[in-house]
Amino acid sequence: EIVLTQSPGTLSLSPGDRATLSCRASQSVPNSYLVWYQQKPGQAPRLLIYRASRRATGIPDRFSGSGSGTDFTLTISRLEPEDFAVYYCQQHGGSSWTFGQGTKLEI
Amino acid sequence: QVQLQESGPGLVRPSETLSLTCTVSGGSIINYYWAWIRQPPGKGLEFVGHIYYNGITNYSPSLNSRVTISVDTSKNQFSLKLNSVTAADTALYYCARWNEGMDVWGKGTTVTVSS
Repeated sequence: EIVLTQSPGTLSLSPGDRATLSCRASQSVPNSYLVWYQQKPGQAPRLLIYRASRRATGIPDRFSGSGSGTDFTLTISRLEPEDFAVYYCQQHGGSSWTFGQGTKLEI
Repeated sequence: QVQLQESGPGLVRPSETLSLTCTVSGGSIINYYWAWIRQPPGKGLEFVGHIYYNGITNYSPSLNSRVTISVDTSKNQFSLKLNSVTAADTALYYCARWNEGMDVWGKGTTVTVSS
C-alpha cells in the first residue's frame, strides 16, 4: 500500500499569499495518478486536480498541481478567502487507493 | 446533473453489520467506478473500497476481511456492508463517483456504532 504524507499539517497564511502544499508518497505513484481535493467544514470534498497537474472542471486557474514519482505539490497562487480549508491528496496508482492525512490551510 | 444519496441506519450495535446504499440519480451507473470513503469525527478521509459497474471490486487492505461492496445496475445503486463493527467504525460515510478523481460526492451519512 502506498502511504501518502502531507506537509505541513497546518499552514497559516493571509489572503493574497501564495500557498504551497506537499504530498510525499512512500513509493513511486504510477502514471502520476495523484489527485487533490478541498474540503470545507460540513461539506463533502471537492475534486481540484487529477493526474497530478490537470485541473478539474470549474476549478480556478489559481490552483495548480505538479510533481511526479514520489513528490507532488499543490500551489494556490493568490489565496482567496474561500480557499481556507483542508486539502487532501489521494493516489490511485497502487494496488489500493489511499489518502494523505490532510493539510489545514488557515487564515 | 448526477447526484448521489447515501441511506441506511445511523446507529449500529457493536459486532453487527453496517449496511449502506448509495442511489445514483441524474445519470447512469454504467461505465463508472463507484467508491465508499469514510471520515471519523474530526479526522481525515479513509478509502473503504470501490466497485466498477460490472462488479469488480477493490477494498482497503485494513478493511478487506470485513467489507463487501456490491452494485445493482437495475436500480442504479451500489451498496456497502461492513461486518463485525466496533466503535472505530463510527464515521461519516460518503459515496462518490470516480472519474479521474472522485468528481461527484453524496452529502454523507453518519453512522455511530454503539450499544
